[in-house]
Amino acid sequence: LAKTTQPISMDSYEGQEVNITCSHNNIATNDYITWYQQFPSQGPRFIIQGYKTKVTNEVASLFIPADRKSSTLSLPRVSLSDTAVYYCLVGDRGYQLIWGAGTKLIIKP
Amino acid sequence: DVKVTQSSRYLVKRTGEKVFLECVQDMDHENMFWYRQDPGLGLRLIYFSYDVKMKEKGDIPEGYSVSREKKERFSLILESASTNQTSMYLCASSLGGGPSGNTIYFGEGSWLTVV
Repeated sequence: LAKTTQPISMDSYEGQEVNITCSHNNIATNDYITWYQQFPSQGPRFIIQGYKTKVTNEVASLFIPADRKSSTLSLPRVSLSDTAVYYCLVGDRGYQLIWGAGTKLIIKP
Repeated sequence: DVKVTQSSRYLVKRTGEKVFLECVQDMDHENMFWYRQDPGLGLRLIYFSYDVKMKEKGDIPEGYSVSREKKERFSLILESASTNQTSMYLCASSLGGGPSGNTIYFGEGSWLTVV
């Protein structure tokens, strides 16, 4: 099972673009990369999922290089409400996902 | 939108009590999950179910059991609650059947305190 490594915490300011990088050196051929967001006292919320290259939706972009050993979640023009914990997970089956500590993102005014 | 509803948001139970945590999803998902989340330990999988009446142990099943009598409902049971089961419990579901179907949708969580 592929384990991920991501920064424990990050700070940024409102209006900035934030990039959170996740390392997953042992990613398997069938594995997808999924990012979740969690606010205090709430369940995690799906943000974005990808397999390779770039994926974009209404809230974020996900960049995956050709070797797929890392991925970068990009949040454009963050606001205070983006303060949360962000989890990077790798797998092809929900029950196989290993949840680490995530990255605590703090957005300052 | 997928909705996963956990019946109780906050519970306080006594040691030794039998505790039921109920969860319902409204999107006809095949898979359902129960996790617990503790500070510094991330989410840990207790049990999951891939079909009605089917269940599989996760990483920390000891002290818990589950029931899935209907597709939309997945219950977590603490047979005899103990103080070390004080935690936030998260129910989740996924469609199944391929990577995009493995996106997990979570409920709001149930905060259980065992005294």
